[in-house]
Amino acid sequence: DTEVTQTPKHLVMGMTNKKSLKCEQHMGHRAMYWYKQKAKKPPELMFVYSYEKLSINESVPSRFSPECPNSSLLNLHLHALQPEDSALYLCASSQEASGGTGELFFGEGSRLTVL
Amino acid sequence: KQEVTQIPAALSVPEGENLVLNCSFTDSAIYNLQWFRQDPGKGLTSLLLIQSSQREQTSGRLNASLDKSSGRSTLYIAASQPGDSATYLCAVMYYTGNQFYFGTGTSLTVIP
Repeated sequence: DTEVTQTPKHLVMGMTNKKSLKCEQHMGHRAMYWYKQKAKKPPELMFVYSYEKLSINESVPSRFSPECPNSSLLNLHLHALQPEDSALYLCASSQEASGGTGELFFGEGSRLTVL
Repeated sequence: KQEVTQIPAALSVPEGENLVLNCSFTDSAIYNLQWFRQDPGKGLTSLLLIQSSQREQTSGRLNASLDKSSGRSTLYIAASQPGDSATYLCAVMYYTGNQFYFGTGTSLTVIP
């Protein structure tokens, strides 16, 4: 199973709402990532979790709050977002570079629209 | 900051042509380089992964090469088909940690 599953596929929210994006993988990967992608641009790294600990935070605004409840799950909690946060949010996972190939696997993404 | 660039930004070819996409990176101390395909509004699909010790990888009509000394990788697509139309991205991972640096992408259109 080389799947990364993201839910929901589409999300529309107002600026005062609180919502969450979810990501799951069962490949035994210990590194998990959140990326944000705007149209016609490459993915931008937001957060990296390594062994369930936040290892990289690319100066993301606090209205985005990541959580890694266990080695298979990654959440992104959203609160008080702005219309410019509308984008495709991609989850990915990989083996640790120290112990494996480091190959990166992506989910299909969650399309977020902030009204 | 590590820079990864892809040239050309867009490419349009007739069906059946062989083509080459380019990826350049500034630091040669890479751990691996990965090529992805992305269809509009979708996630990224891994095409080929080249480890730093390898020179090339092949999968079907795709061949990716790696030249660390010159900071370049190429993705060769043989006998292109309309279904190959997509954006192609390369990503470089360095030994310094679990961080991937993405190229700017090449948008490919194969005309029937």
